[in-house]
Amino acid sequence: ETGVTQTPRHLVMGMTNKKSLKCEQHLGHNAMYWYKQSAKKPLELMFVYNFKEQTENNSVPSRFSPECPNSSHLFLHLHTLQPEDSALYLCASSQSPGLAKEQYFGPGTRLTVT
Amino acid sequence: AQTVTQSQPEMSVQEAETVTLSCTYDTSESNYYLFWYKQPPSRQMILVIRQEAYKQQNATENRFSVNFQKAAKSFSLKISDSQLGDTAMYFCAFMKLGNNAGNMLTFGGGTRLMVKP
Repeated sequence: ETGVTQTPRHLVMGMTNKKSLKCEQHLGHNAMYWYKQSAKKPLELMFVYNFKEQTENNSVPSRFSPECPNSSHLFLHLHTLQPEDSALYLCASSQSPGLAKEQYFGPGTRLTVT
Repeated sequence: AQTVTQSQPEMSVQEAETVTLSCTYDTSESNYYLFWYKQPPSRQMILVIRQEAYKQQNATENRFSVNFQKAAKSFSLKISDSQLGDTAMYFCAFMKLGNNAGNMLTFGGGTRLMVKP
C-alpha cells in the first residue's frame, strides 16, 4: 500500500459510454498526476495538478477530462473513447514541486474499451 | 526533451545471484533526479531507489544499489542476493526539477525481471 487508492480497479466500457476514474491520496501531498500505461509503450504522463490547478496537459485528447476538486482527490472523466485508449491508467501524487520528492503510485485502473 | 532508454526488455536471474539492469538517458539539464521504480505483477508501482544528479556517491538501499555515471548519462541498477519477490517490471525514470509545476517523470520502456528458484 502506497497511500494512493484508485477505483474502479477494472472497467469495461463501450465507445459511447461515459465513465469516471477516481484517485484518492492519503499522504498530504499537493501534486497529483495521471499516467497512461499501454502495452509495449513507456508510461505516458497525461495531466499534472498542483494545488488543485492543472499545470500540465500532455496533448491529451479532449475525450479525457480531468478534475481535481481538492488536493486529495483526482478524477478522470471518460467519454466517447476509442479502442486504442484501452490501457492501465495510473494515478500518482507527490509533495510540493521543487522538493524533488518521489511520486507515489496507485494500483491503477485497467480500462478496456469495446 | 528528455529521453530514457532501457535496452534490456527482459532479463532473468537465479535466486541469490546478482543482476544488473541498464538505463541510459539524454538530457541537457545539469540538475535532476533519477529513479528506479518496481512494478510487481499486482501492478502497484513502488520506488526502489533514488539518485540526485549533484551527488557523486552512488545511492544504496539494502540489496539495491546504482552505478551512476553522469558524464556517460548512465544509471544502472544492481540487485544483489536476488529474491523471488524481486520478480517485477523495473522502470528507470528521469525527473527534471519543476518550479511551480509538478515534478514530471520521464520513464524508460521497462525491463521485465524474472527471478528463478
